[in-house]
Amino acid sequence: AQSVTQPDIHITVSEGASLELRCNYSYGATPYLFWYVQSPGQGLQLLLKYFSGDTLVQGIKGFEAEFKRSQSSFNLRKPSVHWSDAAEYFCAVASGYSSASKIIFGSGTRLSIRP
Amino acid sequence: EPEVTQTPSHQVTQMGQEVILRCVPISNHLYFYWYRQILGQKVEFLVSFYNNEISEKSEIFDDQFSVERPDGSNFTLKIRSTKLEDSAMYFCASQQGGETQYFGPGTRLLVL
Repeated sequence: AQSVTQPDIHITVSEGASLELRCNYSYGATPYLFWYVQSPGQGLQLLLKYFSGDTLVQGIKGFEAEFKRSQSSFNLRKPSVHWSDAAEYFCAVASGYSSASKIIFGSGTRLSIRP
Repeated sequence: EPEVTQTPSHQVTQMGQEVILRCVPISNHLYFYWYRQILGQKVEFLVSFYNNEISEKSEIFDDQFSVERPDGSNFTLKIRSTKLEDSAMYFCASQQGGETQYFGPGTRLLVL
């Protein structure tokens, strides 16, 4: 069965520092992968997605993620974080290739920013 | 930019009462979903809906839950007799046919 693991429950970084959030997935073939961000009390905003092609994908708000098949990873990065990046980040995988495939979410990583 | 909307944003209900959560998906989308997130936990799939029928449902989606697309624009989730453990944030999502699901802002349901 497909699954997503986010090993870091909570990360604190200083404003202006670089960020990497880890994500590992379990899937039998090339997955459809996503990163979503959730600010407190808010909905889920899509940051970026990977379906095929270039393994380094660019997203909104200066985020990027790299798909590494050999490591079953899809880590999220940002070179310089801003205080407004404080939020919960969810890595996710689509359960199949057809439409109407459910999305399976990781348990999330809460990002705090140190002034 | 079109977006998924959900009403109400917050709902408080008594245990045993029926609730209906409403969603307006993006207008040309064909696939619809409900997810829920219990406070402090991850987002969980409940049900997917296409062509006026359920495509897939999770084990959470028992007989107390139902979905409907009554008028071609709204997509509703009904909980017939709410339990304390139904307290959660409920997210609606819609999809045109590609791979990306677009999520609404959620309805926070509190069952007392």
